[in-house]
Amino acid sequence: ELKVEQNPLFLSMQEGKNYTIYCNYSTTSDRLYWYRQDPGKSLESLFVLLSNGAVKQEGRLMASLDTKARLSTLHITAAVHDLSATYFCAVAVSAGNMLTFGGGTRLMVKP
Amino acid sequence: DSGVTQTPKHLITATGQRVTLRCSPRSGDLSVYWYQQSLDQGLQFLIQYYNGEERAKGNILERFSAQQFPDLHSELNLSSLELGDSALYFCASSPRMTGELFFGEGSRLTVL
Repeated sequence: ELKVEQNPLFLSMQEGKNYTIYCNYSTTSDRLYWYRQDPGKSLESLFVLLSNGAVKQEGRLMASLDTKARLSTLHITAAVHDLSATYFCAVAVSAGNMLTFGGGTRLMVKP
Repeated sequence: DSGVTQTPKHLITATGQRVTLRCSPRSGDLSVYWYQQSLDQGLQFLIQYYNGEERAKGNILERFSAQQFPDLHSELNLSSLELGDSALYFCASSPRMTGELFFGEGSRLTVL
């Protein structure tokens, strides 16, 4: 059974600081997704990572994938309050497309 | 706006009742997925349909059932509701069997 673990589960940080969220998964997969969720809202797709070594950046967020280590990271650079949300990684089972989600990282950026 | 439409947005009902949640996928998307999000279980995959056929089943209770109609919209039926079924139910769609999932706004179910 595929297990996806994120850490930390909760992150409080100051504006302007950098931090990294980690996503580990237990079995082989070549597709990993990062989503953002604001409280009570839908999941917004941030990044789709499809191959080993993939790196994608959008604004202050950068995601990478190491399929050999079964690890993805979401790096936050110079955080701003608008980035406050819950971030989920999700891994696709190779034989299908249903996603197994991590527990989420609740990020709070304080002024 | 992802293009995935879910109704109703909010639903309050009593234990033992039955409800139906509806999902219209993005135009052209053939695959529909249902997920349940609760505080204690997180985001759990329930079931997937592709072009009208069930393709994958996750942690879906026997009291729950779903179907995808010829026009590709999908319905999730929840029966004999229990307090623990209170959750946010998301529908997502994708163009093919694989690929990025686009999520709707969700249906918040409260069972009293």
